[in-house]
Amino acid sequence: KAGVTQTPRYLIKTRGQQVTLSCSPISGHRSVSWYQQTPGQGLQFLFEYFSETQRNKGNFPGRFSGRQFSNSRSEMNVSTLELGDSALYLCASRQESSYNEQFFGPGTRLTVL
Amino acid sequence: EDQVTQSPEALRLQEGESSSLNCSYTVSGLRGLFWYRQDPGKGPEFLFTLYSAGEEKEKERLKATLTKKESFLHITAPKPEDSATYLCAVQAGGYNKLIFGAGTRLAVHP
Repeated sequence: KAGVTQTPRYLIKTRGQQVTLSCSPISGHRSVSWYQQTPGQGLQFLFEYFSETQRNKGNFPGRFSGRQFSNSRSEMNVSTLELGDSALYLCASRQESSYNEQFFGPGTRLTVL
Repeated sequence: EDQVTQSPEALRLQEGESSSLNCSYTVSGLRGLFWYRQDPGKGPEFLFTLYSAGEEKEKERLKATLTKKESFLHITAPKPEDSATYLCAVQAGGYNKLIFGAGTRLAVHP
């Protein structure tokens, strides 16, 4: 079974621009969560989508948004990029069952100049 | 406030030298405690889930245990390929979000 895939793997943007990251979950997984990882703050939860609906949201500004499509693929968007948005953005998928394990993709490394 | 603390921040071991990593947590309504391994530049790799105090799980040289306040990841006779950052996370309340600790950077030298 293929794992979680994320595209692109690397991005370089400048302040003020916007960016869209994509995530394809493991086949059969309908829950997709996004996390931001930085050296200073570690891994922090951004939001979770299930059946095209945002189910949970972390403490991030409204510049961070996401969506999920009917095939469970998800995108996250960051508008008006700031230098502090430079991070590894990780997507995780989960099967809705009694098991809670989340499986992570390789991440997208975003650098904001 | 839900919180996860990992110690030590970094650990250097000689090959074959067993040790333990600690994860202490303060959460309301623990639904699961997770251990992940992360190699540089990669996403976290799932290792274990523990659900209740007293539970133990093993995989190769790794063994995870859980009490009401903390979890331990025991590494027996580590090899250089065990070098990585080990992350602990908890899932609490009615949410699916994971709350992560800062991780322990493990270096195993031959």
